[in-house]
Amino acid sequence: RKEVEQDPGPFNVPEGATVAFNCTYSNSASQSFFWYRQDCRKEPKLLMSVYSSGNEDGRFTAQLNRASQYISLLIRDSKLSDSATYLCVVNPGWGGTSYGKLTFGQGTILTVHP
Amino acid sequence: NAGVTQTPKFQVLKTGQSMTLQCAQDMNHEYMSWYRQDPGMGLRLIHYSVGAGITDQGEVPNGYNVSRSTTEDFPLRLLSAAPSQTSVYFCASTYSGGAQETQYFGPGTRLLVL
Repeated sequence: RKEVEQDPGPFNVPEGATVAFNCTYSNSASQSFFWYRQDCRKEPKLLMSVYSSGNEDGRFTAQLNRASQYISLLIRDSKLSDSATYLCVVNPGWGGTSYGKLTFGQGTILTVHP
Repeated sequence: NAGVTQTPKFQVLKTGQSMTLQCAQDMNHEYMSWYRQDPGMGLRLIHYSVGAGITDQGEVPNGYNVSRSTTEDFPLRLLSAAPSQTSVYFCASTYSGGAQETQYFGPGTRLLVL
């Protein structure tokens, strides 16, 4: 079983739609969780950190379920500019910091069309 | 503030050749990492460093060496290039402050080994 698993998609949605991505992780000791966004042929960039049970930032909501070991990302009112690959990322370490060691899912491709 | 810089952007090597991928950051971050990204896969950790003079192996270290003589620089050396090392390589530095953690990625080096 992969340490971090995501549905690769692709997800094709119209502008204004709500879309949700799920991610599961295998290491129950994982301490912190992130969603990164990666545009085509570019470097990943942090979209959201996921704290305790979840958090919200504008149109984006991330949730964490430690008992079931999954993380989700909800995007409301999708924009054309949201088209990208969304990477689920887990800090597998025991301490608070990852020390630069993160485990990435394979990414979920989102295309938002007019 | 340039963030994380990587050189070269593109490189073509012949099997058996060696080369060094350069990475530098000007944010005074202690933690730095090297990842590779292959099609359809997430980023996989090659090596990481928690400070000058301290490095350790990640998930896929074979065929690569690293050193960290300064906080700013973290070069990745391919000892004898193989076609299996054709990939996109990302360097990252990590800001870790309390509950907040963010990895900043360089723009990547696209490597083709013939």
